[in-house]
Amino acid sequence: DADVTQTPRNRITKTGKRIMLECSQTKGHDRMYWYRQDPGLGLQLIYYSFDVKDINKGEISDGYSVSRQAQAKFSLSLESAIPNQTALYFCATSDYADTQYFGPGTRLTVL
Amino acid sequence: AQSVAQPEDQVNVAEGNPLTVKCTYSVSGNPYLFWYVQYPNRGLQFLLKYITGDNLVKGSYGFEAEFNKSQTSFHLKKPSALVSDSALYFCAVRDRGSARQLTFGSGTQLTVLP
Repeated sequence: DADVTQTPRNRITKTGKRIMLECSQTKGHDRMYWYRQDPGLGLQLIYYSFDVKDINKGEISDGYSVSRQAQAKFSLSLESAIPNQTALYFCATSDYADTQYFGPGTRLTVL
Repeated sequence: AQSVAQPEDQVNVAEGNPLTVKCTYSVSGNPYLFWYVQYPNRGLQFLLKYITGDNLVKGSYGFEAEFNKSQTSFHLKKPSALVSDSALYFCAVRDRGSARQLTFGSGTQLTVLP
């Protein structure tokens, strides 16, 4: 089984809808991250969490929120989706040496 | 602030030839440096990292990278490219003294031609 799983893998939604992306990890790490990937822009950090009580904004947090339900679970929400949030979203977890382990990604399309 | 640059969007190399994917960084302190690879429709996979010590770092699949402090570079290299090395490569940096998270470059698409 994969160490980092993301659901759903693909999602098409409409402008204004609320959507949640979920991430689970079995690596036992405290640190978890949400990234967004757009062509030519690399990965941009949305939110990160170093433990269940530690939530931090990344470089592009506007329009997004997160919830760290447990050490192993970190979900990303778009309260009111807009078309420019169409992107590939990755969850990751890391050890204390910063090596990050990524999920397979969620392809989100907002119409 | 920390930043990382990958000056080439695309690198093409013939199979069997050596390959280099370039990365330069900017930090105010000392860096942690990383290379990741992304195959189509997959998440990023860790290749190698520089934390401290030997400037030449060896990683997965025969890749290596050299940390050059004076040139603030961390180029990825492989002596003999394979067609299966074709993928998107990302460099990442964290300033040890001041940052809690990584900053990723924009990525370099490597194509190895048969």
